[in-house]
Amino acid sequence: DIVMTQTPLSVSVTPGQPASISCKSSQSLLHSDGKTYLYWYLQKPGQPPQLLIYEVSNRFSGVPYRFSGSGSGTDFTLKISRVEAEDVGVYYCMETLHQRGSFGQGTKLEIK
Amino acid sequence: QVQLVVSGGGVVQPGRSLRLSCAASGFTFSNYVMYWVRQSPGKGLESVAVISYDGNNKYYADSVKGRFTISRDNSKNTLYLQMNSLTTDDMAVYYCAKVRVERWFYGLDVWGQGTTVTVSS
Repeated sequence: DIVMTQTPLSVSVTPGQPASISCKSSQSLLHSDGKTYLYWYLQKPGQPPQLLIYEVSNRFSGVPYRFSGSGSGTDFTLKISRVEAEDVGVYYCMETLHQRGSFGQGTKLEIK
Repeated sequence: QVQLVVSGGGVVQPGRSLRLSCAASGFTFSNYVMYWVRQSPGKGLESVAVISYDGNNKYYADSVKGRFTISRDNSKNTLYLQMNSLTTDDMAVYYCAKVRVERWFYGLDVWGQGTTVTVSS
């Protein structure tokens, strides 16, 4: 199985300030079809996860422009340019290179 | 609109069985890979089982292999998870989710609301 490791596990951010979350995979997520199967989700309290970013850097429908994803191979980053109060929750990265998929441990974002 | 409605959770004794259902609507269910993902209390997300769009390929977490069975009825637009020999380690909220693009194992774009499974004597 691919192991996904997120850092930090928690972050406290002042509204309007940036935030960054790292996700590292135990092997490259680049498929032979040229796509990299890395995704970012946000789980708000009491809700199922919601897709933010697909295939490393593509914002899903309705996701604010302040969210961006980058990276390649085994190293990936989610950035929030200016954190807002509604961004609180737990952020997860996920790979589906191996069909069953695996998630990172999650990063809890709190507002200062 | 696209919707996944999960049902079947509840309280069950250790060693007993439970079957979860996920009713899909608003998209061509038979064209999409489907996942069951669980979240134990206070913990992260675990992909439990995945099934291809045609039901021919299934993948399981080691923790449930041999005890859980994922299946689908494309004529009823419904996904299932049969859970046997349940233990307290299986206590979790169980979500079903669809992939973003047809016919392959892309990321999950729509999730059901989840159903809670409690294993207790």
